This record gives sequence, C-alpha cells and structure tokens, in this order.
Amino acid sequence: AQSVTQPDIHITVSEGASLELRCNYSYGATPYLFWYVQSPGQGLQLLLKYFSGDTLVQGIKGFEAEFKRSQSSFNLRKPSVHWSDAAEYFCAVGDGNKLVFGAGTILRVKS
Amino acid sequence: EAGVVQSPRYKIIEKKQPVAFWCNPISGHNTLYWYRQNLGQGPELLIRYENEEAVDDSQLPKDRFSAERLKGVDSTLKIQPAELGDSAVYLCASSFGDPANTGELFFGEGSRLTVL
Repeated sequence: AQSVTQPDIHITVSEGASLELRCNYSYGATPYLFWYVQSPGQGLQLLLKYFSGDTLVQGIKGFEAEFKRSQSSFNLRKPSVHWSDAAEYFCAVGDGNKLVFGAGTILRVKS
Repeated sequence: EAGVVQSPRYKIIEKKQPVAFWCNPISGHNTLYWYRQNLGQGPELLIRYENEEAVDDSQLPKDRFSAERLKGVDSTLKIQPAELGDSAVYLCASSFGDPANTGELFFGEGSRLTVL
C-alpha cells in the first residue's frame, strides 16, 4: 500500500525565517504528490501538486516543493514565513482515484 | 461558487446512539469522498462515490457505518451505533473526475463528532 511519512509532528519558526517541511512517500510508480494546508476549523486547501515534468513546483501563498525521486521526497519550502502561515500541513500521494495522506506537520510561527 | 458544504459542524452524542452527517459537493463534481480524521492524524478514506455508485468502500466499517448518495449529488454518512473510538472529524470532499488527473480534492470544513 502507498504511504506518506511526515517526520516532524511540530515545527516552530520565527516570522520571516525560511521553512522546510519534510515529506517522504512510498509508491511503486511515478507518484502524483500534493501538499494541503488546514487552518484551524477549516477544510483542507491545496497548496501545490506534482504530476510530471519540472521537479520544482510553485504553489499558492509563496510555497514551493521539490520532487526528488532518488530520495522519495517531496519537501515543502517557503523562503519567508508569515504569521498567517501557522496551520497544519499535509503531504499526500495519489493512489488510484484517491489520496493517501501523511499524519501532518503543525507549523507554529513566533514573532 | 459555493464550496463543499457539510452539516452539522459539531455533534456530541452518547455511545450507542446513532448519528448522521450530510454533505453537498461542489456542483458538477461527480466524485465524492468521505474521509475520517482522527486527532493528530491525516485524513483516511472511508468511501468514494462515482456519481451514485460506491466504487471504493473497503475501509468503511460496514457493521456500523453506512453511506448513501442516492441521486449522485449530496451524500449522507451514518453511524449506528456510535462507539467511543468514532470520535473524529468526518471530512467530505469532491472532485471532477480522477484527482490524479485533475489534481485537486475540494474539502468541506468537516463535522466534528464527540462520542461520550
């Protein structure tokens, strides 16, 4: 079965600092990869997705992610974090006609 | 355009009671999903519909959970009887076709269930 691992349960960064959230996946073929964000009391919102082609993908809100097949990783990055980025972030892999999610990483932003 | 609408947002019941959740997907989205999100975990698929047909219900605990999407639009997820371990957020999502091709599931805000 396909799986996604997000090694960090919580991450705290200072406002204005850079951010990297880690994601590793297990999938036999070329994966379809996604990052979603969930703010408190809100539904999940798609940040970005990777299907094929350029391994560096740009998303909304200034986020980007890089697909590295050799490392089975799809890490999410942002060069300068804003306080409004505090939320929970989920990495997911497409498995047939559904998404398999990781356990999430909670991002805290300190001023 | 309205997003995925779920109700109720919150529900508190005692164990062994029944509960039902309702979802109205985005207009035109033929695929509907019910996910369960336990505290501290990512969403896990319970059931997926293509129009009115349940095409993946392998993770649905069929002894107590049931779901329907009679006219291929809105859907209801029922638990009867509820157990303490059913406390979770139940998320509904919809997509137009295969998310691996379209790239996106649209999620509702979820229904938070607490079983006492």
